[in-house]
Amino acid sequence: DAGITQSPRHKVTETGTPVTLRCHQTENHRYMYWYRQDPGHGLRLIHYSYGVKDTDKGEVSDGYSVSRSKTEDFLLTLESATSSQTSVYFCAIRTTGSETQYFGPGTRLLVL
Amino acid sequence: DQQVKQNSPSLSVQEGRISILNCDYTNSMFDYFLWYKKYPAEGPTFLISISSIKDKNEDGRFTVFLNKSAKHLSLHIVPSQPGDSAVYFCAASQNTGNQFYFGTGTSLTVIP
Repeated sequence: DAGITQSPRHKVTETGTPVTLRCHQTENHRYMYWYRQDPGHGLRLIHYSYGVKDTDKGEVSDGYSVSRSKTEDFLLTLESATSSQTSVYFCAIRTTGSETQYFGPGTRLLVL
Repeated sequence: DQQVKQNSPSLSVQEGRISILNCDYTNSMFDYFLWYKKYPAEGPTFLISISSIKDKNEDGRFTVFLNKSAKHLSLHIVPSQPGDSAVYFCAASQNTGNQFYFGTGTSLTVIP
């Protein structure tokens, strides 16, 4: 257990509404990641962070933004949710010097 | 374009026999490879990894083989147990980068 929590764990929202998902870690890991998991696509990287206020895009970043104002929190925002963003979202952390990622329990998001 | 591929969506194996899960990659710059295991409604958990300077890494019942010339890696589980039933993802990264690329996953069922 790498001390990673995600909130909310489940959310139903309507198309066009903003949504923010939170990832919280308790062990001051430098690297944090947001992935989405969809059938037939596996896990795809949305955005990642390599420090406070340092973020970069992943392979499926369109329609998503992130913020990291504190080491322990990494927020993923859907500015205007679309049905194509219905997915399971996983946060992960990685320790400096290690290639191993540790994942949170996931957030299941349904956009109607 | 999927840089890491798992061409078998599912695999069924009898308890006690060997399970072999395969993964192919296209980017020759990848130099670190990992396998993750995922149960339903949970986040992926790290299983085993291998650096590109090795061709084999073993951890208990789990062995990962890397064939760099073929851009292919495999995970062997011997003997397979019912508790191994899960979805297995392979992942790859470059040492110089922060991004990880995942395959689409293989669902393993171990039949008692």
